Amino acid sequence: NAGVTQTPKFRVLKTGQSMTLLCAQDMNHEYMYWYRQDPGMGLRLIHYSVGEGTTAKGEVPDGYNVSRLKKQNFLLGLESAAPSQTSVYFCASSYSQGDYNEQFFGPGTRLTVL
Amino acid sequence: AQSVAQPEDQVNVAEGNPLTVKCTYSVSGNPYLFWYVQYPNRGLQFLLKYITGDNLVKGSYGFEAEFNKSQTSFHLKKPSALVSDSALYFCAVRLPGYSSASKIIFGSGTRLSIRP
Repeated sequence: NAGVTQTPKFRVLKTGQSMTLLCAQDMNHEYMYWYRQDPGMGLRLIHYSVGEGTTAKGEVPDGYNVSRLKKQNFLLGLESAAPSQTSVYFCASSYSQGDYNEQFFGPGTRLTVL
Repeated sequence: AQSVAQPEDQVNVAEGNPLTVKCTYSVSGNPYLFWYVQYPNRGLQFLLKYITGDNLVKGSYGFEAEFNKSQTSFHLKKPSALVSDSALYFCAVRLPGYSSASKIIFGSGTRLSIRP
């Protein structure tokens, strides 16, 4: 049982380049989330999904797009990277039953935009 | 505005001593409260949560937290600290009555350092 995995672990981009971060979970969770973590700011929700084929905006969605074509995968795309998107990105998943369920996090992707 | 505060950026404790990591919140209604721990270069791991019932909840690695409704606090505690407890700790609040995941709020984190 791998839990939540993220690919890649590290990436360096130049301004204007695009990339896709992949998140996969093998726990049959309905909900999946993308966060960014910046020093002193905790975690901020970028986008989330409550099921296959559905996505919704979180707190800081600008500059990002997402897709959930399969239940186990949640992709985060940056169409035109900017230095402000330098951050550590975490994917998480949780059961759908109730708002009281904890989240399971992946190991993170460290992205640097030059 | 609804918010979660972790007033201490860093907490330093000697091994064997009790530790407390503070969390206060400002939300309407009765929230669900969580603590997560993050070790270096790792994702967050769930420690414990308060949903309803007993104000003292117990979690992983010997941690516990006390919900205080009147003070709107949910402080994390451990009777005897270990060096291996050194990590970054996050308090999180999930607002009641919303199924939307956008109503999860994380604190800014507290770095716990346990000295031998």
